[in-house]
Amino acid sequence: EAQVTQNPRYLITVTGKKLTVTCSQNMNHEYMSWYRQDPGLGLRQIYYSMNVEVTDKGDVPEGYKVSRKEKRNFPLILESPSPNQTSLYFCASSGHSSADYGYTFGSGTRLTVV
Amino acid sequence: AQSVTQLDSQVPVFEEAPVELRCNYSSSVSVYLFWYVQYPNQGLQLLLKYLSGSTLVKGINGFEAEFNKSQTSFHLRKPSVHISDTAEYFCAVSDRGDSWGKLQFGAGTQVVVTP
Repeated sequence: EAQVTQNPRYLITVTGKKLTVTCSQNMNHEYMSWYRQDPGLGLRQIYYSMNVEVTDKGDVPEGYKVSRKEKRNFPLILESPSPNQTSLYFCASSGHSSADYGYTFGSGTRLTVV
Repeated sequence: AQSVTQLDSQVPVFEEAPVELRCNYSSSVSVYLFWYVQYPNQGLQLLLKYLSGSTLVKGINGFEAEFNKSQTSFHLRKPSVHISDTAEYFCAVSDRGDSWGKLQFGAGTQVVVTP
């Protein structure tokens, strides 16, 4: 089944403790992206990647890191999480051709930083 | 950078009635446009997209949207809604070309369908 898989689904952590949210896609997609969703704000893009080793900032990149060493994986790293990073996070991927444009989303990771 | 305005935060509608969700974007340059749906406690699902060609786009679940370049709008419609259409709907826009991946979302419109 074609899908984007995020882990974990739920995570509670403490301020300052480094964490990684993994994301993997099995559709051989070139584009991948991370979004955060907060009530009343919709989805805001954190980072996106056009291909292996090519990443760019979205609208809210502060406090986050990403890497794209392999085409299928795009982990999101919070080096020193803070309470304002409590949110629902989505990973997404998309193909490169115009017929494939349009992100396919994972099921989400609900992060709570205390 | 693009920005997206969804003019209604919540739209109550009766079952079998029509619904229209309004979306306006900021730039008049060439764009790609999308509508997504999010059911409770789920991820986002692509409803439809406009990349080029006909300005009337048909999507899944009986939804359609019309691209209006002069008004920079991409409103979503369904002629007759079901209870199962209760969800949050997001409009999204990006520039054409390789930077399309920088996809901007609106704040969402919550649709509540009642019998």
